Order: sequence, then structure tokens, then C-alpha cells
Amino acid sequence: TQLLEQSPQFLSIQEGENLTVYCNSSSVFSSLQWYRQEPGEGPVLLVTVVTGGEVKKLKRLTFQFGDARKDSSLHITAAQPGDTGLYLCAGDTDKLIFGTGTRLQVFP
Amino acid sequence: DSGVTQTPKHLITATGQRVTLRCSPRSGDLSVYWYQQSLDQGLQFLIQYYNGEERAKGNILERFSAQQFPDLHSELNLSSLELGDSALYFCASSAISGTDFTGELFFGEGSRLTVL
Repeated sequence: TQLLEQSPQFLSIQEGENLTVYCNSSSVFSSLQWYRQEPGEGPVLLVTVVTGGEVKKLKRLTFQFGDARKDSSLHITAAQPGDTGLYLCAGDTDKLIFGTGTRLQVFP
Repeated sequence: DSGVTQTPKHLITATGQRVTLRCSPRSGDLSVYWYQQSLDQGLQFLIQYYNGEERAKGNILERFSAQQFPDLHSELNLSSLELGDSALYFCASSAISGTDFTGELFFGEGSRLTVL
């Protein structure tokens, strides 16, 4: 049973556009992580958020953990083709559960 | 390179057969995780081992089993294979203990299993 729902499932945009990916659950998580996966490779950690309301910035990427620690968002500013990939959120219950994923395609 | 090694990278087999997937974690990592990734179900947690002991279990079928050996490498055994078992199987390792996931998981490149 998948506890983490991500939206949108697919996103295709032009270089320079902004976008937001959402990760939602009815469960409370001790921490939440975001990973990016490129074809033929395993997921790679982008960020971990542990405090409700926490906001972390990683260059053009902004991550937010919801106040109730049930949801998170990833905002990308001025997307670039190098941002293309599968974005996965992962929540910590008694095991690390991954979200359904958002496939992002950024066209030049 | 994450430092996690998975073999084989690709495997094609027939229904009813049994296969073993192998994972060598990063040097010094005590925790090993197995995940299944298929097109329609995303990344599904199967099982976690910590220093040789099972620590957490997810949606792992009874036909599947895993173990972590004293040298910390892990194997995932899949038996009585069905068409629906075709997927990418990822191993990840971490230095963290227990079920504290504030640390990073390092993933291998996966083993792609095709069941015909």
C-alpha cells in the first residue's frame, strides 16, 4: 500500500519555467527526503527535512515540509534540461516509504 | 558511483524459475535495503537488514526471501517467478542504524529482471 501520493505524475515544461511537485500523505512522518533518479541509475538524495514547517534551499530547488509533517513540496525555479528526471519523496515511518514519483521533462 | 554494487545488472528468465540478486553495500555501511521498482507501482520497500539481522519488512512476497551475510553483503532470492515479478530491483545501503532515516540511502544501479 502506497502511503505517499505525488502530483503531478508527469510534468513536461520548457527551460526557464518554474514548477512545484507535491508529496502528500495521511500519515505523519518523522522525516521526509527527496530523491532524484535518472534513467539507468538508482535514486540520489537531494535533501532531508525533519522539522514541521522547515524550508531548505538547494540552489534553484526549494523544499518545504508541512507544519503537520504529513506533506512536502519541491519547487524548482528556472528549470533546466539537467533537472530532467524522476523525483521521489520518501517518508520515514518505521521504514522508508517512497512516493509514487513525478517524472519531469525539461525541454531546451 | 554510489559505492553500492549490484549483480547481475540484467537477468532474463522464465516463469517458475528461481534467481538470486546480490548486493555489496558501501564500505562500512551496516544497513541494507531492498526495493522493487516497476512501471505502475513506483519504488516499493521489500526488506531491510541491519548488521545481519532483519530490521523491517515491507510488501515482500512469500516467494521472495533475503539475507545479509557476516561480510555484510546481501542476497535477494526470488522463486517461482511470475510475469509480474519483472521489475528493477534496487539495493541501498546506509551508515544509519535502526529505522532512523535522517541519514542518506545510497542506491546501487539496480538489477533488471525480466520474466518471460
